[in-house]
Amino acid sequence: KNQVEQSPQSLIILEGKNCTLQCNYTVSPFSNLRWYKQDTGRGPVSLTIMTFSENTKSNGRYTATLDADTKQSSLHITASQLSDSASYICVVSEGSGTYKYIFGTGTRLKVLA
Amino acid sequence: EAGVVQSPRYKIIEKKQPVAFWCNPISGHNTLYWYRQNLGQGPELLIRYENEEAVDDSQLPKDRFSAERLKGVDSTLKIQPAELGDSAVYLCASSLVTGGPLGTQYFGPGTRLLVL
Repeated sequence: KNQVEQSPQSLIILEGKNCTLQCNYTVSPFSNLRWYKQDTGRGPVSLTIMTFSENTKSNGRYTATLDADTKQSSLHITASQLSDSASYICVVSEGSGTYKYIFGTGTRLKVLA
Repeated sequence: EAGVVQSPRYKIIEKKQPVAFWCNPISGHNTLYWYRQNLGQGPELLIRYENEEAVDDSQLPKDRFSAERLKGVDSTLKIQPAELGDSAVYLCASSLVTGGPLGTQYFGPGTRLLVL
């Protein structure tokens, strides 16, 4: 069964600190992987997208990595800000032509002053 | 450029009542998605449209849920009758195309439904 698992489920850090969120998937065949940020009461917003051949992708203070061999991805947030408090969702797209998107349950990040 | 528009933002109804949600996608986006998101969970696809055609409705509970996308632009999702377990956030998303790097989905703010 195609699945996307994220860890930790929740995380609390102090402003200015770095953190790394994990995503493990069993989706096959693989097409691409996206990280979304979802603020409370809002819809998810795309941060990065990586295809099979890409190992890393940055968007400002957000850096995503992908290891297609181990089927793992991470999202690293540098110098966290209060506005980074949100849920971060990993989404993997199947490559079988069905265009299925498998969503993880997200990591809820809280940045404290 | 306007994003995905959804209405209403909040809806409270009693069980067994009908409810409808409306979505207007980003102009020019051919693919439209309806998702349901329960608290603390990721979104789950209900139905995907490519233009006016429903190409994936395998997860739509067809006994009580229906959707339409007339003219391939805006869309309506209906629940009749609503059950307590339908309480969730209903998200609409659109994308320029389906799949691939250009298939990034843009989400609306969602409709938060509470069934009493």
